[in-house]
Amino acid sequence: GAVVSQHPSRVICKSGTSVKIECRSLDFQATTMFWYRQFPKQSLMLMATSNEGSKATYEQGVEKDKFLINHASLTLSTLTVTSAHPEDSSFYICSARGRDRGSETQYFGPGTRLLVL
Amino acid sequence: AQTVTQSQPEMSVQEAETVTLSCTYDTSESDYYLFWYKQPPSRQMILVIRQEAYKQQNATENRFSVNFQKAAKSFSLKISDSQLGDAAMYFCAYMGGGGADGLTFGKGTHLIIQP
Repeated sequence: GAVVSQHPSRVICKSGTSVKIECRSLDFQATTMFWYRQFPKQSLMLMATSNEGSKATYEQGVEKDKFLINHASLTLSTLTVTSAHPEDSSFYICSARGRDRGSETQYFGPGTRLLVL
Repeated sequence: AQTVTQSQPEMSVQEAETVTLSCTYDTSESDYYLFWYKQPPSRQMILVIRQEAYKQQNATENRFSVNFQKAAKSFSLKISDSQLGDAAMYFCAYMGGGGADGLTFGKGTHLIIQP
């Protein structure tokens, strides 16, 4: 199956700093990557859709200046949480889908646990 | 906007028995996909099964099968011969836009397997 990695797996940072999370598709080319957020004991909420070489599309209520997404290649997307605050503490999960028809399935990374102090 | 509803916050089943998890959704689209994902304590999302809306035949994957009722907008998951390793959160998810959109998830069902 398709493998997606995320780095780091967990990060602790001070309030006001920025944190970058990487999402990589290891064995396939991902034309589209998605970023989700999951609060404890809750479901996943889509934050944004990222297509290679173009600007990300953000869901309503997600601040694009706070959550910067870059999809510079077919195997890498990054999410940068700028000026992080304690309320940004959450579990961030990326997913990726390939370029071919029939590849609608999204494959998920293992997630990144962010704690902002 | 599409919505996905899982009305069972928690389900419990004896090992080796069969359990059905419910999911309903709301959409005005005709071309979409439905998924069941499993999230164990590690929090890694694992695809269990997928269903294309244009296919009438219900999807099956070994012990996992779905009952897809398109007119009723229902998409339940049946797990046969439940095993201890099946214990996890199960999320029903909808993908519209002909497969181009992100996933809309239900709130999840916590499945407990009793030994």
